[in-house]
Amino acid sequence: GAGVSQTPSNKVTEKGKYVELRCDPISGHTALYWYRQSLGQGPEFLIYFQGTGAADDSGLPNDRFFAVRPEGSVSTLKIQRTERGDSAVYLCASSPGTGALEQYFGPGTRLTVL
Amino acid sequence: SQKIEQNSEALNIQEGKTATLTCNYTNYSPAYLQWYRQDPGRGPVFLLLIRENEKEKRKERLKVTFDTTLKQSLFHITASQPADSATYLCAPTLSGSARQLTFGSGTQLTVLP
Repeated sequence: GAGVSQTPSNKVTEKGKYVELRCDPISGHTALYWYRQSLGQGPEFLIYFQGTGAADDSGLPNDRFFAVRPEGSVSTLKIQRTERGDSAVYLCASSPGTGALEQYFGPGTRLTVL
Repeated sequence: SQKIEQNSEALNIQEGKTATLTCNYTNYSPAYLQWYRQDPGRGPVFLLLIRENEKEKRKERLKVTFDTTLKQSLFHITASQPADSATYLCAPTLSGSARQLTFGSGTQLTVLP
């Protein structure tokens, strides 16, 4: 079946602009995660959804970052007033839910803030 | 705070040899540890999971050990092939279901033909 998909694959924006990054998880997966990865580093956790609710948003760096998953499937990560330091690859992962430990990652969205 | 350290430098080995990658962690006691492979421009791919009560786990040419006393996991690839070249990430994880992953910075492995 289809894996996790993310759009766009690349996004270039200017400092101060608003961006939305989309994630389509594997069908039926109730858990969804957002991570951010900088060059030479491992992915860094941002937020975790179980169904429609954000079960853990402790990784969001500040209030410019927000994510939603209104119907428990597709999720959107929203970044307001982007800064150059937001440039990174944003990864989405999903897993079947409680009891499932491994995560299935999408290819990521490379965000560049000029 | 929790700290995870993987081989600090890239690892180059000759085809056919065994590659051994190290993951050390401090200041917490993970219930399990996962290893992922990441190729350039792609997301990580799950390889193996080992629980704290397991000493060793194998899958084809892969072997993982987990020493909770040393706070260390070793990841072995036997009979390595150039196609094994990638970055390998470890993620020691606390107990609880559907947990966020905290990754090490990864080890870049190159298998030379």
